[in-house]
Amino acid sequence: AQRVTQPEKLLSVFKGAPVELKCNYSYSGSPELFWYVQYSRQRLQLLLRHISRESIKGFTADLNKGETSFHLKKPFAQEEDSAMYYCALRPTTDSWGKLQFGAGTQVVVTP
Amino acid sequence: EPEVTQTPSHQVTQMGQEVILRCVPISNHLYFYWYRQILGQKVEFLVSFYNNEISEKSEIFDDQFSVERPDGSNFTLKIRSTKREDSAMYFCASRSEGNTEAFFGQGTRLTVV
Repeated sequence: AQRVTQPEKLLSVFKGAPVELKCNYSYSGSPELFWYVQYSRQRLQLLLRHISRESIKGFTADLNKGETSFHLKKPFAQEEDSAMYYCALRPTTDSWGKLQFGAGTQVVVTP
Repeated sequence: EPEVTQTPSHQVTQMGQEVILRCVPISNHLYFYWYRQILGQKVEFLVSFYNNEISEKSEIFDDQFSVERPDGSNFTLKIRSTKREDSAMYFCASRSEGNTEAFFGQGTRLTVV
């Protein structure tokens, strides 16, 4: 069975400092990985996914199959980055597209 | 920009009562989902729905749960006889054919007292 692990429940960083949110997964096949973000009182929304290899709001994430990781990074955190971040996996053998979520990491950016 | 909408935003119900949570997915989407998040826990998959039938369900989705798309726009989750442990935030999501991005609603907070 697949699993997504986000070891940090809370990350507190200063504005302008780098931030890295860890995500490790276990899945026997080749997964599709996502980062979803939930700002205060807002809905879950897609931040980025590994297949598009794009940078959104300064965030990047690289899929490392050797380490089975998909860590999310931003070189200079901003106050508006304060939110809950969820790493999610979609098994590529699953044609219905269900997502397996990690427990989430709360990011607090302080000025 | 089109959004998934859910109603109500908060529902309080007594144990043993039936509840229906409503969702309006994005209009051209074909895949629909329900997830739930118990307070302090991770978001968990409940069920996926495609072509007017359940395509996949988790072990959480037992006989007390059912889903329906009664009129081509609404997508509902019914819990027949609620228990205290059903208290959670319930999220509806939808996606279009050929796109793996799921769009989420704002959630319905269900409190069973």
